[in-house]
Amino acid sequence: GAVVSQHPSRVICKSGTSVKIECRSLDFQATTMFWYRQFPKKSLMLMATSNEGSKATYEQGVEKDKFLINHASLTLSTLTVTSAHPEDSSFYICSATRRSSYNEQFFGPGTRLTVL
Amino acid sequence: AQSVAQPEDQVNVAEGNPLTVKCTYSVSGNPYLFWYVQYPNRGLQFLLKYITGDNLVKGSYGFEAEFNKSQTSFHLKKPSALVSDSALYFCAVRDIVAPGGYQKVTFGTGTKLQVIP
Repeated sequence: GAVVSQHPSRVICKSGTSVKIECRSLDFQATTMFWYRQFPKKSLMLMATSNEGSKATYEQGVEKDKFLINHASLTLSTLTVTSAHPEDSSFYICSATRRSSYNEQFFGPGTRLTVL
Repeated sequence: AQSVAQPEDQVNVAEGNPLTVKCTYSVSGNPYLFWYVQYPNRGLQFLLKYITGDNLVKGSYGFEAEFNKSQTSFHLKKPSALVSDSALYFCAVRDIVAPGGYQKVTFGTGTKLQVIP
């Protein structure tokens, strides 16, 4: 159990467009979902944390209006990159936790975003 | 605030030899510690965790980690490395963020493990 999916796995878009990435917990209810951005050479940066039904909490330096996070249900969170630019190109990873697992995070497979 | 340090960007080890990937931490209170592995272009996979109890924690794929409170370390180990162990390894520590009570995990910068045939 504890499978997290992400869709799409890869997306290429033009500069100025918006892209939505979905993160789903398939077999458990996620009390909290996290969005990370991974830069080349590995560094994993937490962007925001979201709890179902409430506003996301963004980390310092992350633009709230640029990276819109919606956590509509206990199994779905979405990240929308608005007006994407080439510098937004990155690997975006979501994770989810459930109450019983001491905050062990279950990670999605990631989404590779390329902005042309 | 909590922090995690992985002092080695890369570790090279010959296949069949023991491996160690280092991690030190800084937390207020009792540490909840994790190791994750990432294969190329994939998300992170959970390896093992320390919450309480025995200092030697056994996890997936033959990995284990030793919690050392006096040295504030949580090094990842495996007695005999496989080529398929080559990947990126992340150490992480849990902390509690008071507003809303949600719990945040801080990751180290990662260590690339290269197992040489």
